[in-house]
Amino acid sequence: NAGVTQTPKFRVLKTGQSMTLLCAQDMNHEYMYWYRQDPGMGLRLIHYSVGEGTTAKGEVPDGYNVSRLKKQNFLLGLESAAPSQTSVYFCASSLSGAAQYFGPGTRLTVT
Amino acid sequence: DQQVKQNSPSLSVQEGRISILNCDYTNSMFDYFLWYKKYPAEGPTFLISISSIKDKNEDGRFTVFLNKSAKHLSLHIVPSQPGDSAVYFCAASAPTSGTYKYIFGTGTRLKVLA
Repeated sequence: NAGVTQTPKFRVLKTGQSMTLLCAQDMNHEYMYWYRQDPGMGLRLIHYSVGEGTTAKGEVPDGYNVSRLKKQNFLLGLESAAPSQTSVYFCASSLSGAAQYFGPGTRLTVT
Repeated sequence: DQQVKQNSPSLSVQEGRISILNCDYTNSMFDYFLWYKKYPAEGPTFLISISSIKDKNEDGRFTVFLNKSAKHLSLHIVPSQPGDSAVYFCAASAPTSGTYKYIFGTGTRLKVLA
């Protein structure tokens, strides 16, 4: 039982490049979330999903897209990376939506 | 405007003593609160939660207190251990359709001195 895993762990992008972050959970959770954490700030919700095939915007969705084609996977895409998207990205999942269980994070640097 | 505030960026406590971490919020609609612990290079780990219908919830060494009139919650760790050294985040959610959407505080770094 791996819990929540994130791929990759680190990535450096040039401005304008695109990439996809993968989140996978093996706990059969319905709810999944993407957050970003920046220095001196709390985690901020980017997008979330309440079930397979559904997605919704969170607090800071601009510049990101997501997809939940399979229940266990939640993908976060950056179509045209900007330096302001340099951050640590965390994925989380939840059975009921209350307590959320986080992955180890992806550290992304955009130059 | 920060709706969830952790005004102490850091806290040092002697091993065996009580650690008290504080969190204030401004949105009176928040009705569910969580505390997370985070070690460097790891994701946050869920610690304890409390619903607004309660004023206290206890789990082992961890107790969360909620004072709705003051819009304040606190996490007590007794006794504190060196392994508790981490950054602690509080998070709050208001009732929404679909799921809980949490607003996180900026965190308090706890250092437990042996």
